[in-house]
Amino acid sequence: DQQVKQNSPSLSVQEGRISILNCDYTNSMFDYFLWYKKYPAEGPTFLISISSIKDKNEDGRFTVFLNKSAKHLSLHIVPSQPGDSAVYFCAASAKGAGGTSYGKLTFGQGTILTVHP
Amino acid sequence: DSGVTQTPKHLITATGQRVTLRCSPRSGDLSVYWYQQSLDQGLQFLIQYYNGEERAKGNILERFSAQQFPDLHSELNLSSLELGDSALYFCASSVDPRPFNEQFFGPGTRLTVL
Repeated sequence: DQQVKQNSPSLSVQEGRISILNCDYTNSMFDYFLWYKKYPAEGPTFLISISSIKDKNEDGRFTVFLNKSAKHLSLHIVPSQPGDSAVYFCAASAKGAGGTSYGKLTFGQGTILTVHP
Repeated sequence: DSGVTQTPKHLITATGQRVTLRCSPRSGDLSVYWYQQSLDQGLQFLIQYYNGEERAKGNILERFSAQQFPDLHSELNLSSLELGDSALYFCASSVDPRPFNEQFFGPGTRLTVL
């Protein structure tokens, strides 16, 4: 049961253009969403996050949009740079019973982003 | 460098064997998480500890167990290994379990079961 899905295994973009990475989720209990970036031979690195009470969060070149009704979020990178080439993982967190917060993250399969010079 | 260390980096062993993976969290972090990344799967949450106590469990097999010690380092024990256990195992740490606290990931241990 894939609760977090990234349907595009890969994305290729020209330097300077916008990269849009998409993520869909099925669990309506998810209340916090994150994007991680991963280079080969390294662990994932946190990029940006958004709470379910917001629909947009921006940090420099990175913006995450959340559409709760569609259970969809996206990561926009503008402008894209060759150094952004990596695997991007969408992740989500849900509150447990009684509203207890857990750090357990449910990850998508990842999207390989390649930014060409 | 995330500040999370994992040893060993690579481990090659045979089916039926038992291995122990070790994780040292960032200084000051009380929560430790273990994730498994297989070839055909994304990162799968295994288990979480907070200040020595198990906090949450994911799809962790009964053959797998973990603990967090008083000095906050954690070990993941994998026993009766099968070919399908070959994967990258990541440890992550955070200040506390609240999801808005960034999880810092270690470089991973690559386990190969032959």
